[in-house]
Amino acid sequence: DAGVIQSPRHEVTEMGQEVTLRCKPISGHNSLFWYRQTMMRGLELLIYFNNNVPIDDSGMPEDRFSAKMPNASFSTLKIQPSEPRDSAVYFCASSIETGYGYTFGSGTRLTVV
Amino acid sequence: QQPVQSPQAVILREGEDAVINCSSSKALYSVHWYRQKHGEAPVFLMILLKGGEQKGHEKISASFNEKKQQSSLYLTASQLSYSGTYFCGTASGSARQLTFGSGTQLTVLP
Repeated sequence: DAGVIQSPRHEVTEMGQEVTLRCKPISGHNSLFWYRQTMMRGLELLIYFNNNVPIDDSGMPEDRFSAKMPNASFSTLKIQPSEPRDSAVYFCASSIETGYGYTFGSGTRLTVV
Repeated sequence: QQPVQSPQAVILREGEDAVINCSSSKALYSVHWYRQKHGEAPVFLMILLKGGEQKGHEKISASFNEKKQQSSLYLTASQLSYSGTYFCGTASGSARQLTFGSGTQLTVLP
């Protein structure tokens, strides 16, 4: 298996622009997570999907952030409009079920200037 | 609420042992341990479910004290490849999503 695939690996955008991050989980994994990592705040959970349904989106910072999972093999995280404080590494992770570890994607390093 | 990890950083010589602790104010269902090297994604090491079990993975093992809501990661006879930041992730109650600690930076010197 190719693991969790994220794209793009790096994204540099100007403040106010829309940013879309993409994730393909491991086939057969029914849980998908989006995390954000910064030096100041560490690894923060943004949203958790189970069987394509959002279960916990309490970590989504504000209305500028939205996430979708239209099917079991694809998820997006969108930021509109982007702000410099959104600069971070965004990780997607998937898990087969409760009691198993997460497999993280390589991450997307987002820089908003 | 974020679990508390200690120490924040530790420097070892190759072959020495280390212990990293993780504690939570909530009743825990499970504790995960991950290692992240600079510029890379976190990599899963092991999971402990409530019941006070201990698990091992080569020279890395962990324990989970459900009553104290604490877990410890033990690294014995450390190798250079053990360097990185170690995170514990905890799940409480019926929630299955993890909340991660702030990490422990481990440096193993030759």
